[in-house]
Amino acid sequence: DVKVTQSSRYLVKRTGEKVFLECVQDMDHENMFWYRQDPGLGLRLIYFSYDVKMKEKGDIPEGYSVSREKKERFSLILESASTNQTSMYLCASSPTWIQPYEQYFGPGTRLTVT
Amino acid sequence: GNSVTQMEGPVTLSEEAFLTINCTYTATGYPSLFWYVQYPGEGLQLLLKATKADDKGSNKGFEATYRKETTSFHLEKGSVQVSDSAVYFCALPSNTGKLIFGQGTTLQVKP
Repeated sequence: DVKVTQSSRYLVKRTGEKVFLECVQDMDHENMFWYRQDPGLGLRLIYFSYDVKMKEKGDIPEGYSVSREKKERFSLILESASTNQTSMYLCASSPTWIQPYEQYFGPGTRLTVT
Repeated sequence: GNSVTQMEGPVTLSEEAFLTINCTYTATGYPSLFWYVQYPGEGLQLLLKATKADDKGSNKGFEATYRKETTSFHLEKGSVQVSDSAVYFCALPSNTGKLIFGQGTTLQVKP
């Protein structure tokens, strides 16, 4: 079974802190994604990556950056956390660019910024 | 561009009731369609999919038929269980290859 793990289930940070969310997948998938999930808004794509050191902006990249130094790891960085970034963050991976739609999700990180 | 609209929730049903969650889409061509499910405290997982018009996807007693005439992909189950309580997302690919998710429909099944 594909496994996508995220470094923390719950995280509490202060406004202005730099925050790192880590995601690791164990199935050699090329594509990795970061979403945030908010009530009434569904899932919104922040960034995605289709190869090591490659990244593409999603729908809401402002205030975020990403890093993909190794194929299995995709990190989301909040440079200076703000209260409006309080949310559930979901990482996903998928096997090939030809079939990017069968995404496998991690359990999520619920981030609270105070 | 492509888009998806699903019914608002929450949907509350008694155990063994019939379930329908509506999903309609707007798309160029006939893209694959998906239903994902998110159980409490977990990430999303693929529930079922249909890759072309008139296909029926099925899994765990859930079914959805890709209907191009009505541009719909409604999720159905004949007899829901408490364990089906979750959030359900309809999804389709965008023109740039990403997945577009609906807003999600929360299902609560009461014993």
